Amino acid sequence: EAGVTQSPTHLIKTRGQQATLRCSPISGHTSVYWYQQALGLGLQFLLWYDEGEERNRGNFPPRFSGRQFPNYSSELNVNALELEDSALYLCASSLGHLVLTNEKLFFGSGTQLSVL
Amino acid sequence: QKEVEQNSGPLSVPEGAIASLNCTYSDRGSQSFFWYRQYSGKSPELIMFIYSNGDKEDGRFTAQLNKASQYVSLLIRDSQPSDSATYLCAVIPPPNNAGNMLTFGGGTRLMVKP
Repeated sequence: EAGVTQSPTHLIKTRGQQATLRCSPISGHTSVYWYQQALGLGLQFLLWYDEGEERNRGNFPPRFSGRQFPNYSSELNVNALELEDSALYLCASSLGHLVLTNEKLFFGSGTQLSVL
Repeated sequence: QKEVEQNSGPLSVPEGAIASLNCTYSDRGSQSFFWYRQYSGKSPELIMFIYSNGDKEDGRFTAQLNKASQYVSLLIRDSQPSDSATYLCAVIPPPNNAGNMLTFGGGTRLMVKP
């Protein structure tokens, strides 16, 4: 069974451009989470999507946005890129509601975004 | 105060020794606790989870949870150089927290020396 898949593996952009990152959850998983991991920093929660809706977002500006498609795959869009957006962006999926069902989170291999 | 705290390390242990990694959390009602291993440049990999007070063993790994003291630990027996990685502690908040996200500590870097 395939795990969480992310594309592209690496993405190089310049300041002011837009980046689009893609994620396919584990088959049967309906919840998708996005995390940012900047160099030397911990995992910071970005966004949570479930059943096509944005359910929660972390402390990031509105230029970080995304969506979830009917097949539960997801996109993360980062507009007006800044140098400090350079980081590993990790997508994760879970079978259900983490809090209510004690589910586990499984991560994809990430997209390394470099902003020059 | 950070919600989940870990000593950043590095924690250096000799091969074959027991590595002890600790984590404290601030929200007393937190209910689920996870340990992820992350090799440099790779994504986090789930290695242990624990929901109830006490110990949970899986192979060379033992997770320990003490909700009264709000700490969770991970013991790695017979440490191997391949265990060298950053270990992330993660916590699911209580049901009254609408976030439904896993909150991570900053991670502890473990180095196992041959």
